[in-house]
Amino acid sequence: AQKITQTQPGMFVQEKEAVTLDCTYDTSDPSYGLFWYKQPSSGEMIFLIYQGSYDQQNATEGRYSLNFQKARKSANLVISASQLGDSAMYFCAMREQGAQKLVFGQGTRLTINP
Amino acid sequence: KAGVTQTPRYLIKTRGQQVTLSCSPISGHRSVSWYQQTPGQGLQFLFEYFSETQRNKGNFPGRFSGRQFSNSRSEMNVSTLELGDSALYLCASSPPETGGNTIYFGEGSWLTVV
Repeated sequence: AQKITQTQPGMFVQEKEAVTLDCTYDTSDPSYGLFWYKQPSSGEMIFLIYQGSYDQQNATEGRYSLNFQKARKSANLVISASQLGDSAMYFCAMREQGAQKLVFGQGTRLTINP
Repeated sequence: KAGVTQTPRYLIKTRGQQVTLSCSPISGHRSVSWYQQTPGQGLQFLFEYFSETQRNKGNFPGRFSGRQFSNSRSEMNVSTLELGDSALYLCASSPPETGGNTIYFGEGSWLTVV
């Protein structure tokens, strides 16, 4: 069975610093996709970045990058130059090949301090 | 391009009642999936519909049901509401191709059962 583990319940970071949010996963499927979402207090899940299991390069989207280490089964999200608006819950999720079902981790609450 | 639209955004129901939530996916997206988010259980997959057919179902009782219409809009229904059904219900849509790298969520419907 698929499993996503986010070991950091909460993180506090100073504005403009870089932050790494940890995510490890477990699956027996050789083909899968990894997602990161941001959820502000309003509830909306905002798509940030995607990494496919066969992608050779780490995904990047603006200030977001995904540190994908396949052998270690980790997919950490790196946010560069953090901003106050980055304060939110962050969820790592995994999708198996051919399915649109996502399995989520428990999330990390990120707080950016001025 | 409009995002995923969920209605209503907030609602309060009484135990024993039933509720219907609606989701309009992004134009052109044919896959719609539903998730329940609670503080205790986190984000859990309810079901997924593609071209009016349920493709996948999570581990929820039969009180939870859904359907998808020919225009890809989807509804989910919860009958005989229990206090534990209080949650944020999120709808997600994705493009027709399988194994897609884009799954977008709506703002969610906040359900309170009293």
